[in-house]
Parts: sequence; C-alpha cells; structure tokens
Amino acid sequence: AQSVTQLDSQVPVFEEAPVELRCNYSSSVSVYLFWYVQYPNQGLQLLLKYLSGSTLVESINGFEAEFNKSQTSFHLRKPSVHISDTAEYFCAVSSMDSNYQLIWGAGTKLIIKP
Amino acid sequence: NAGVTQTPKFRVLKTGQSMTLLCAQDMNHEYMYWYRQDPGMGLRLIHYSVGEGTTAKGEVPDGYNVSRLKKQNFLLGLESAAPSQTSVYFCASSLRGGDTEAFFGQGTRLTVV
Repeated sequence: AQSVTQLDSQVPVFEEAPVELRCNYSSSVSVYLFWYVQYPNQGLQLLLKYLSGSTLVESINGFEAEFNKSQTSFHLRKPSVHISDTAEYFCAVSSMDSNYQLIWGAGTKLIIKP
Repeated sequence: NAGVTQTPKFRVLKTGQSMTLLCAQDMNHEYMYWYRQDPGMGLRLIHYSVGEGTTAKGEVPDGYNVSRLKKQNFLLGLESAAPSQTSVYFCASSLRGGDTEAFFGQGTRLTVV
C-alpha cells in the first residue's frame, strides 16, 4: 500500500532562518503530490501541488517544493520563515495505487522561535 | 461563499450515545470525504462519496456510517460512541478525486467519555 513519510514531527527554527520539511512517498507509478497547511484550530488548506511539468512548484507566500522522482521525495522549503508560518504542514500523495484517494503523512509542526 | 461548513464544532458524548455530524458544501463538488485527525497520525479517511447517492469505505470505517442524499450534504453517524472515537473530525470536498484541491471544514472536536 502506498505510504507517505514525514520524518520530522516537529521542526524548530529561528525567525528569518531557512527551513526544509521533508516528505517521502512510496510509489513506483505516476503521482500527484500536495502540501497542505493547518493553522491552529483551523482546517487544512492547500499550500502547493505538483501534478506534472516543472518539478519545482511555488506557493504565493514564499514556500517551494521540488518533486524528485528518483528519490521519491517532495520536500518543502522556505528561505526565510516568519512567525506567521507557525502551523502544521501535511504532505499528501494520490496515484493509481491509492485509487486516486489522498494518502497523508503524519504532519510536521513548524515552530518559529523569535 | 461559505465553502465547507461542519456542525457542530464541539460535542461531548457519553459512551453508547449516538450522534450525527453534518457537512455542507456550496461549491457543487462531486467528491466529499470524512477524516479523523489524531495526534501524530495525520488524517485517516473514514468514508467518502464520489457523487450524490454513493458512499464508500475508507481506511477506518468501523463504527461509523455515512449518507449522501443530497449532493451538497455528507452526514457522518456514530451509532454507539466509544472512547476510541474521541478525535477531531474533518469534512472535505473536491471537484473530483486525484489531482484536484480538497477544501476542508473547520473541524468538529468530539470527546467520548
């Protein structure tokens, strides 16, 4: 069965420092990849997605993620974080293996230190 | 547009009681989903629907039932609540499966005592 691994449950980082949140998935077939963000006491909302084409995708608030097929990864990065980025970030994958249902990682809490 | 609306937002049940969670979407989406979120476990799919009148089991369906009598509504029922069903429940909808964005409600925090 398809699975998604987010190795880090929490990532503490100082404000204005860079950050990388890691996501690896298990699938040998064509995949759709997503990052969702959950701010405290809210539902999830889409941050960015990879469907096809350019392997580097960006969000409107400065995050980017790169699809790496050989390493089956879709890591999320931001060059300089802000206190408002404090949230939990979820990686999700869908493919034929999952009958195109989203398979979710366990989430990574991004903790911004002032 | 309201997007996806869940009611209630909070509920405390006693073991053995029943309840229904309501999800409503106003985006004319075909697909709707019920998830539960538990610490350190991400989101787990309970049931989903690919259109009015259809439902299917997800990863953790036991103890739950669903109905989609109207396209815009997706109901989640707990027939006999158990403490293991203490969780935060999220409803979501999408235009279709696979490559389309899922829109989430604000969640329902359910405690079973």
